[in-house]
Amino acid sequence: QVQLQESGPGLVKPSGTLSLTCAVSGDSISSHNWWNWVRQPPGKELEWIGEIYHSGSTNYNPSLESRVTISVDKSKNQFSLKLTSVTAADTAMYYCARNHYDWGQGTLVTVSS
Amino acid sequence: DIVMTQSPDSLAVSLGERATLNCKSSQSVLYNSKNYLAWFQQKPGHPPKLLIHWASTRRSGVPDRFSGSGSGTDFTLIISGLQAEDVAVYYCQQYYSIPYTFGQGTKLEIK
Repeated sequence: QVQLQESGPGLVKPSGTLSLTCAVSGDSISSHNWWNWVRQPPGKELEWIGEIYHSGSTNYNPSLESRVTISVDKSKNQFSLKLTSVTAADTAMYYCARNHYDWGQGTLVTVSS
Repeated sequence: DIVMTQSPDSLAVSLGERATLNCKSSQSVLYNSKNYLAWFQQKPGHPPKLLIHWASTRRSGVPDRFSGSGSGTDFTLIISGLQAEDVAVYYCQQYYSIPYTFGQGTKLEIK
């Protein structure tokens, strides 16, 4: 059974960079799946951020594309999210997911000085 | 972007009764006879849980009181015989085109 676990700083300063990692267990990051990041501001709906295939191919939400980078580390069986120039509007629960099937528990990131 | 609109925003149903949740996409999500539409259940403090994909295929382990239907732009999630554990927010999502988009959610409560 696949498990995904997000990790990273819970507090990021405005204009800084949000960096999160998703550790995958129970499946290989090199399997035929797309590895996704999704976020949810407190009390609001879900927003898809982007996805990556093990080959390194990526798709991003155009609304965030200029600030987002998703990468994969096959040696550690994990993938990562970087979001630059953050503002309070980026405060959210961030989830990683395997396709749309399996999700991590999420990690709350607050943007505040 | 494909806009997903769910109705109603909230719904109260008696235990044992049927709950009907709707989702409409701003353009068709049908391709090669497959509808690229998923339904999720989210309980407070938990991540979304996939219930149904391809509009009507229940994920393994999901109770058969959950059923999905529809095609093209109009979709429905029916929960037959509502149980207390079904209280949650339900989201639809299209994965037909990027960016994948979610509806605003329907909050289901017990009457």
